[in-house]
Amino acid sequence: DIQMTQTPSSVSASVGDSVTISCRASQPIRTWLAWYQQKPGKAPKLLIYAASSLQSGVPSRFSGSGSGTDFTLTISGLQPDDYATYFCQQANTFPLTFGGGTKVEIK
Amino acid sequence: QMQLVESGGGVVQPGGSLRLSCAASGFTFGGFGMHWVRQAPGKEMEWMAFIQRDSGNKNYADSVKGRFIISRVNYQNILYLQMNGLRVEDTAVYYCAKEQAVDGAFDMWGQGTTVTVTS
Repeated sequence: DIQMTQTPSSVSASVGDSVTISCRASQPIRTWLAWYQQKPGKAPKLLIYAASSLQSGVPSRFSGSGSGTDFTLTISGLQPDDYATYFCQQANTFPLTFGGGTKVEIK
Repeated sequence: QMQLVESGGGVVQPGGSLRLSCAASGFTFGGFGMHWVRQAPGKEMEWMAFIQRDSGNKNYADSVKGRFIISRVNYQNILYLQMNGLRVEDTAVYYCAKEQAVDGAFDMWGQGTTVTVTS
């Protein structure tokens, strides 16, 4: 199975800050990577697909990059609505696997 | 309005069975692969099962292979997960998710249904 290692597990940041979250795959997955946002008690929301493509309706302050084994999600100019948990998912190989999540908290 | 609505969760004893349903609306259900994903309390997301749009291909996580069965009825816009031989460790919120055609990402999720396995 492909292991997805996500760092950090939590980050404290202020409104307006930039936040970077990393996800490393244990094997190359080309660009078969997605990023999601999840708020407590809610279903996840797709932010980024194919490593760097912004899902329709998602604000442009969210961006993704990377290929192979190393990927990054960046939130440029954190907004109050962005405080949530973010996680990555590889869609290259079954079983599909997820990162452990990064909780973005208010500083 | 595009949406997925799960139902069928509940409390069951170890060894018991449940069938989860996921009703789809607002899109051409039969045109997309569908998945079940679960999240145990305080744990990360865990992918469970996939079914191709025409049911021609199915994949399962090792943790549920042989116990869970994914199926779909396209003309009724419904996805199912038959769960047999339930274990305490199957306790989780179960989500159905629609696969985006091009890249395998999940572009639509249901609100989740809770399964609790306890004696």
